[in-house]
Amino acid sequence: QQQVKQSPQSLIVQKGGISIINCAYENTAFDYFPWYQQFPGKGPALLIAIRPDVSEKKEGRFTISFNKSAKQFSLHIMDSQPGDSATYFCAATKGAGSYQLTFGKGTKLSVIP
Amino acid sequence: ETGVTQTPRHLVMGMTNKKSLKCEQHLGHNAMYWYKQSAKKPLELMFVYSLEERVENNSVPSRFSPECPNSSHLFLHLHTLQPEDSALYLCASSQDRKRDEQFFGPGTRLTVL
Repeated sequence: QQQVKQSPQSLIVQKGGISIINCAYENTAFDYFPWYQQFPGKGPALLIAIRPDVSEKKEGRFTISFNKSAKQFSLHIMDSQPGDSATYFCAATKGAGSYQLTFGKGTKLSVIP
Repeated sequence: ETGVTQTPRHLVMGMTNKKSLKCEQHLGHNAMYWYKQSAKKPLELMFVYSLEERVENNSVPSRFSPECPNSSHLFLHLHTLQPEDSALYLCASSQDRKRDEQFFGPGTRLTVL
């Protein structure tokens, strides 16, 4: 049973546009929600993360929006650039004591000039 | 070398071969992880070591055998693999007290013929 559902599977955005990737989770014990960015030939790299005590977190052009009641969170990339073209994974984990990160299936983002 | 390194980057092996994947972290972390990344599937956590002791084992077939000789090195020994084991194998590390912030290596692309 997939515990973190991510959509869309792929996304094409024009340069300067807004990229939006959505994730939904089932386990209410999750309390940390990171996003990872993976370029071809590289491992995933932590991009931005949020805890459920806030509804939004912004770092530069990247923003996470979190809706605890709906058990959904999303990544917004403002002013998308070709260099943002990568695969993005949402993830969730429960508690500081857990080693287990539960990942979504990933979204392949292509930003076209 | 910085971050998390993995060797080899690519490996092709027959089903009767025995090979090993190596991971080394240069971050001063004390927890290390093996993940399997297959196309269109979420990253799957295989093994976790903390302070050189295995702490999680997520129902991985015995043809995969991990070894952690010290906190900087992690191996994955492979024997009698199946074609469906072909995937990208990622190593990650973290501080044990910050298990939700994991740093990934570039992976080993494994092909089983």
